[in-house]
Amino acid sequence: EAGVAQSPRYKIIEKRQSVAFWCNPISGHATLYWYQQILGQGPKLLIQFQNNGVVDDSQLPKDRFSAERLKGVDSTLKIQPAKLEDSAVYLCASSLADRAGGPADTQYFGPGTRLTVL
Amino acid sequence: QKEVEQNSGPLSVPEGAIASLNCTYSDRGSQSFFWYRQYSGKSPELIMSIYSNGDKEDGRFTAQLNKASQYVSLLIRDSQPSDSATYLCPLPSRGGYQKVTFGTGTKLQVIP
Repeated sequence: EAGVAQSPRYKIIEKRQSVAFWCNPISGHATLYWYQQILGQGPKLLIQFQNNGVVDDSQLPKDRFSAERLKGVDSTLKIQPAKLEDSAVYLCASSLADRAGGPADTQYFGPGTRLTVL
Repeated sequence: QKEVEQNSGPLSVPEGAIASLNCTYSDRGSQSFFWYRQYSGKSPELIMSIYSNGDKEDGRFTAQLNKASQYVSLLIRDSQPSDSATYLCPLPSRGGYQKVTFGTGTKLQVIP
């Protein structure tokens, strides 16, 4: 079974530029997460989709970050314009969970995209 | 109050010893608990999941859940240098939507 795919793996941009990350979850996984992990910290949830609907984006800086999940499968996360403090690893994860209630399900993480903003 | 409290370490143990990692949580409604391992520069990967009070064993790893005392722990027996990593225990939020909250994790160093 193929895992979660992410691209690119590394990205270096200058501040005020824009950048986009792509994620392809495990086939059949209804829930998709985007996390930001700053060095030395745990993953911070940015946005969570269930199928193609957003169920949590409370920690997404909406003035500069946006995300979409087309047809409930692939997802893109965009930053425009980037700031120095956006330098981090952006992790995409997916889980089978296809309903709002019930116990949380195992999350499977992609390799991440390491973003450096200069 | 933080939803999850975890000792950030680092926790150093000699090779062959038992490493004990702990998480306490505040949401009594949490139903499922996980331990992830994250090597430096890598993504988190699931080690154990536990849903019921008591112990769950998988090889050298034992997860312990005590819902009354609101803690979940991970024991690593016969620790190996390859166990050196950061261990994360995300805790689910009540209200559904499968959301979990990660703390900073506990960094474990196994000294040869």
